[in-house]
Amino acid sequence: QSVLTQPPAASGTPGQRVTISCSGSRFNIGSNSVHWYQHLPGTAPKLIMFSSSQRPSGIPDRFSGSKSGTSASLAISRLQSEDEADYYCATWDDSLNGVIFGGGTKLTVL
Amino acid sequence: EEQLVESGGGLVQPGGSLRLSCAASGFALSNYYMHWVRQAPGKGLVWVSRINVDGSATNYADSVKDRFTISRDNAKNTLYLQMNNVRAEDTAVYFCGRGPNTIFLWGQGTMVTVSS
Repeated sequence: QSVLTQPPAASGTPGQRVTISCSGSRFNIGSNSVHWYQHLPGTAPKLIMFSSSQRPSGIPDRFSGSKSGTSASLAISRLQSEDEADYYCATWDDSLNGVIFGGGTKLTVL
Repeated sequence: EEQLVESGGGLVQPGGSLRLSCAASGFALSNYYMHWVRQAPGKGLVWVSRINVDGSATNYADSVKDRFTISRDNAKNTLYLQMNNVRAEDTAVYFCGRGPNTIFLWGQGTMVTVSS
């Protein structure tokens, strides 16, 4: 069981907006930045959001992130079929003294 | 092009050892913290270890502490993970990644299977 809690699945139709949540504690999200990764099986994970709300170069503005207290969320607007993937939140945990990942959310574009 | 390429994976018996390598190209490894992250079949990403720029400080997940050792050779632009006393639950794809806490650049991964 992950220290960071994500819903195991999310879905939406093309053009819709979906949100994926990530819940932690004061030791991790509450005191550190949150990062989000997109992962397709058999490929390298891809950073799509860092420092809670910053997009790396090349990531479309359809992706946005936010953090409040001990929770964070990733929003994907104008959903496209190519967004179908697994999404993971991650941050540093001050009590474990290491990086922690959420359990992952499988996004299905219907 | 900045790239990370893992190698060294394979089949190993329980209790055995294996050393993974991660070769960096297109940038100087010596400027960056580096990580190992793994993904067991059908499971999510799990952080394994981190090393600072000169190798003087390391962090490990509890599940691998005292069994795995992360190291680096900046002159060879290569990161390593020495895996000792491996267990069935260590079976996974192992990814190396670049970054202090945020992993900005990932390799494609190398598969490690622990089985008799």
